Amino acid sequence: QLQLQESGPGLVKPSETLSLTCTVSGGSISSDSDYWGWIRQPPGKGLEWIGSIYHRGSTYYNPSLKSRVTMSVDTSRNYFSLKLSSVTAADTAVFYCARVTWMQNFPRFDYWGQGALVTVSS
Amino acid sequence: DIQMTQSPSSLSASVGDRVTITCRASQSIRTNLNWYQQKPGRAPNLLIYAASTLQSGVPSRFSGSGSGTVFTLTIGSLQPEDFATYYCQQSSTTPYTFGQGTNLEIK
Repeated sequence: QLQLQESGPGLVKPSETLSLTCTVSGGSISSDSDYWGWIRQPPGKGLEWIGSIYHRGSTYYNPSLKSRVTMSVDTSRNYFSLKLSSVTAADTAVFYCARVTWMQNFPRFDYWGQGALVTVSS
Repeated sequence: DIQMTQSPSSLSASVGDRVTITCRASQSIRTNLNWYQQKPGRAPNLLIYAASTLQSGVPSRFSGSGSGTVFTLTIGSLQPEDFATYYCQQSSTTPYTFGQGTNLEIK
């Protein structure tokens, strides 16, 4: 059974960089049919796709965040990472990592991490 | 960006009821539409992909239909564990976008 687990600081100061890692277990991050993504959810609000990364390093970012987002992947350690720079209180959210499977050519988020709450505050 | 609009935003129903949630896309997304269920404090759970394909392990009382710009999620007979928030999501083009959610509450 595939499992994803987010990790990183739960508190980040304004203007600093938020960093999260998603460790994948029970499967390979190098699967040809899968991308790996980040989604966030501000408290009490809806879901926003941040971006996705392929194991070979190609990335797709939400244009609304593109100038501040960097994603990377480490296939040897089976994890991928998110960096969000110049954070403000508006970036406070639960951050989820998820698998984006492309099987049958219909991308969908089929496995999710439990989520990591990141609060931006001084 | 493709805007996804769900209706209603909230819904009260009883166990055993049949309920339908509608999702509209701002432009055609063919059948690139997914549905998720989210319970408080939990990650979303994929219910349906490609507009009408039931994800493995999801009860058959859940069904989806639609293509182009209008889609529906139907729960055939509500069970106590179905009271949650439901989101649609388009995967036609990036940025992937979600509907605002439909909160399904117990009447």
